[in-house]
Amino acid sequence: DIQMTQSPSTLSASVGDRVTITCRASQSISSWLAWYQQKPGKAPKVLIYQASSLESGVPSRFSGSGSGTEFTLTISSLQPDDFASYYCQQYSSLSSVSFGQGTTLEIK
Amino acid sequence: EAQLSESGGGLVQPGGSLRLSCAASGFTFSSYAMGWVRQAPGKGLEWVSGIGRIIGSTYYADSVRGRFTISRDNSKNTLYLQMNSLRAEDTAVYYCAKDGVHESVSAPDYFDYWGQGTLVTVSS
Repeated sequence: DIQMTQSPSTLSASVGDRVTITCRASQSISSWLAWYQQKPGKAPKVLIYQASSLESGVPSRFSGSGSGTEFTLTISSLQPDDFASYYCQQYSSLSSVSFGQGTTLEIK
Repeated sequence: EAQLSESGGGLVQPGGSLRLSCAASGFTFSSYAMGWVRQAPGKGLEWVSGIGRIIGSTYYADSVRGRFTISRDNSKNTLYLQMNSLRAEDTAVYYCAKDGVHESVSAPDYFDYWGQGTLVTVSS
């Protein structure tokens, strides 16, 4: 099974900051990676798929990069609505997917 | 726009069974793989199971294989998850999710629409 490891687990930042979250895969997953945002009590929402493709309707301050085993999600200028939890997900395996453990983005 | 609505959650004793349903609308259900993802209280997301567009292609996490069965009824636009031999560690919010790739040949993929979730509590 492919294991996904996110860092950091918690991130404190201020409105206007540029932040980066990292996701590492235990083996190469090419570009088969998605990023999700989840707010308390709500379902996850996809932000990025195929490592760097922005989902329709997602603000352009969100961007994704990477391939192989190392990936990043960058928020160029944090907005108040961005404080939430973020998860990466690999979908390289033909019979399973797996999520990172999550990163909580907190207000500093 | 796609909409997913789960039902069937509730309180069940250890060793018991429960069947979750997910009613889909707003898209051609038979053209997309589907999946179930769960989230234990205060924890992260865990993929549970997936099913391809064509009945017969089913996938399970090791933690539920042999106890859970995923199925779909394309005539009713409905996804199901039959959960047997439930354990305390199965306690979670269960989300139904739509595959993000139209007519995918490599499902499961990423998920572009999610339901609101249904809570399953396994406790005596």
